[in-house]
Amino acid sequence: QKEVEQDPGPLSVPEGAIVSLNCTYSNSAFQYFMWYRQYSRKGPELLMYTYSSGNKEDGRFTAQVDKSSKYISLFIRDSQPSDSATYLCAMSSYFGNEKLTFGTGTRLTIIP
Amino acid sequence: DVKVTQSSRYLVKRTGEKVFLECVQDMDHENMFWYRQDPGLGLRLIYFSYDVKMKEKGDIPEGYSVSREKKERFSLILESASTNQTSMYLCASSLAGMSSYEQYFGPGTRLTVT
Repeated sequence: QKEVEQDPGPLSVPEGAIVSLNCTYSNSAFQYFMWYRQYSRKGPELLMYTYSSGNKEDGRFTAQVDKSSKYISLFIRDSQPSDSATYLCAMSSYFGNEKLTFGTGTRLTIIP
Repeated sequence: DVKVTQSSRYLVKRTGEKVFLECVQDMDHENMFWYRQDPGLGLRLIYFSYDVKMKEKGDIPEGYSVSREKKERFSLILESASTNQTSMYLCASSLAGMSSYEQYFGPGTRLTVT
């Protein structure tokens, strides 16, 4: 079993819809959770970062962590065609741990 | 603007060749990483380095070696390329300590071994 599971999609939604992307994990030591976004033919870039359980909002993006269920989510409100990309979740067990464990990524397409 | 550059976007090599992939960062980052990205398998860490001349094995180091002689440069070496090393290779860098979760990635090198 992989430490981090992520549905690879592809996921296609109409412009303006709310998008929900999810990851589950098995390692209860994970405390730091990240979402990276990767456009086609580019490297990933950090989108959101959260620590432990709870929500974090940044513009149209909300990251949610439920440690009791070992489940994290990324919500995108008012989705735009420019949000079309692959979204990867990543996790780490402690601050200063250089190594991140990545999910496989979900490919998202926003249809105009 | 932060930058991680990789020596080639596309590379085609023959089985058994020695292959060098170069990565340079201009952010004075302590940590540097090499990943490979394959469909259905995601990003897998090959090696990382937290200081000059220091290296640590990642999850899939077999068939690879690395070199970090200068802080800004991290090289990945395939000693004898094989077809199962055909993949997208991504280099990344990050600061040490509290901000190490933010990794900056290069654009990737798509390597084909025939």
